[in-house]
Amino acid sequence: KQEVTQIPAALSVPEGENLVLNCSFTDSAIYNLQWFRQDPGKGLTSLLLIQSSQREQTSGRLNASLDKSSGRSTLYIAASQPGDSATYLCAAPNAGGTSYGKLTFGQGTILTVHP
Amino acid sequence: DAGITQSPRYKITETGRQVTLMCHQTWSHSYMFWYRQDLGHGLRLIYYSAAADITDKGEVPDGYVVSRSKTENFPLTLESATRSQTSVYFCASSVGEKLFFGSGTQLSVL
Repeated sequence: KQEVTQIPAALSVPEGENLVLNCSFTDSAIYNLQWFRQDPGKGLTSLLLIQSSQREQTSGRLNASLDKSSGRSTLYIAASQPGDSATYLCAAPNAGGTSYGKLTFGQGTILTVHP
Repeated sequence: DAGITQSPRYKITETGRQVTLMCHQTWSHSYMFWYRQDLGHGLRLIYYSAAADITDKGEVPDGYVVSRSKTENFPLTLESATRSQTSVYFCASSVGEKLFFGSGTQLSVL
């Protein structure tokens, strides 16, 4: 059974800092991993989908990497802004391989960026 | 607007009552999902559907029923609500491996 752990549980940083969110998973037989953002009282928005063949994916100030051999993924946020404040979740396929949306989620990292 | 619409946004019900949560998508994605989100448990998959008339259990299906007679609709029914089903429920659809979520239904069972 896939298990996903995220560290830290919460993070508070001043505006402008570069930061790293960590995600680990137990079943490394996955083809991809996703990072999501959730704002209070809202649904989840997919930020990045990393294929195992890519190992890394970038979108604006966000960069996500995937290391299957170590069972780890990191989300790097450059030059953080108050608008980045949200909960960030990573999710891996339930039973390895592909998932078509059947995902196991981590508990999330609550990020607060203060001016 | 295109996307996933969930209704109602908030629902309060009593133990033992039947409750149906609605989910509608405008994309015609084949796969649809129901997740629940609870403090301490994160998001957990309840049921999913690969196409109209094809549904299957997820991690926590007990006490829930789903149907999918049309591609665009995927209602979730709590046959006899219990307090442990108090949660935020999210419907989602996927294209390939990417998920798209609705805004959620906050359900309280008293």
